[in-house]
Amino acid sequence: AAGVIQSPRHLIKEKRETATLKCYPIPRHDTVYWYQQGPGQDPQFLISFYEKMQSDKGSIPDRFSAQQFSDYHSELNMSSLELGDSALYFCASSSQTSGSTDTQYFGPGTRLTVL
Amino acid sequence: RKEVEQDPGPFNVPEGATVAFNCTYSNSASQSFFWYRQDCRKEPKLLMSVYSSGNEDGRFTAQLNRASQYISLLIRDSKLSDSATYLCVVGGTGGFKTIFGAGTRLFVKA
Repeated sequence: AAGVIQSPRHLIKEKRETATLKCYPIPRHDTVYWYQQGPGQDPQFLISFYEKMQSDKGSIPDRFSAQQFSDYHSELNMSSLELGDSALYFCASSSQTSGSTDTQYFGPGTRLTVL
Repeated sequence: RKEVEQDPGPFNVPEGATVAFNCTYSNSASQSFFWYRQDCRKEPKLLMSVYSSGNEDGRFTAQLNRASQYISLLIRDSKLSDSATYLCVVGGTGGFKTIFGAGTRLFVKA
């Protein structure tokens, strides 16, 4: 079965640079979530989109923005990168219209290293 | 107080042991509950959803107590491959915001 796809899998940037992470949800999933997981930490919710509209916002810094496109893929844009942004960034998707619970399925993550 | 709190780990158990994890949540309006498993440097993977009636999947049993606002996960006959971090996950109303517990690390030893 198709899973959530994230690209790139690894990314190295320098301080003050920008980065764009991409997420392709499971086909027919309408909701995308972004999480940040630092070393030894639990995943922290950043932001979510349902049907291309922002549905909830967590601890996403103002330097970050995200959007969901017409094909339901999502991009997380990160600017003025800081050393503390180094983390694993997970995307998850779910189907709000399936009638079942909002079970989220995670992609493999993008490991961002800021030097 | 964190919105979702889990037993501090790590749990070190021998193969074949039974181990139980508990998790408490603070938002009584929470609608959905899950246990995820996360291996080192990998993405969280859904282990099971948790229902009020309790549910079982092989060696794994999950329970939800809404009155006391806690969730439990029981693993019977532990295998070496069960070694991982187990994350308690609670979804809010509307289902868009999900709160993760800090995770409980399990080590199963031969």
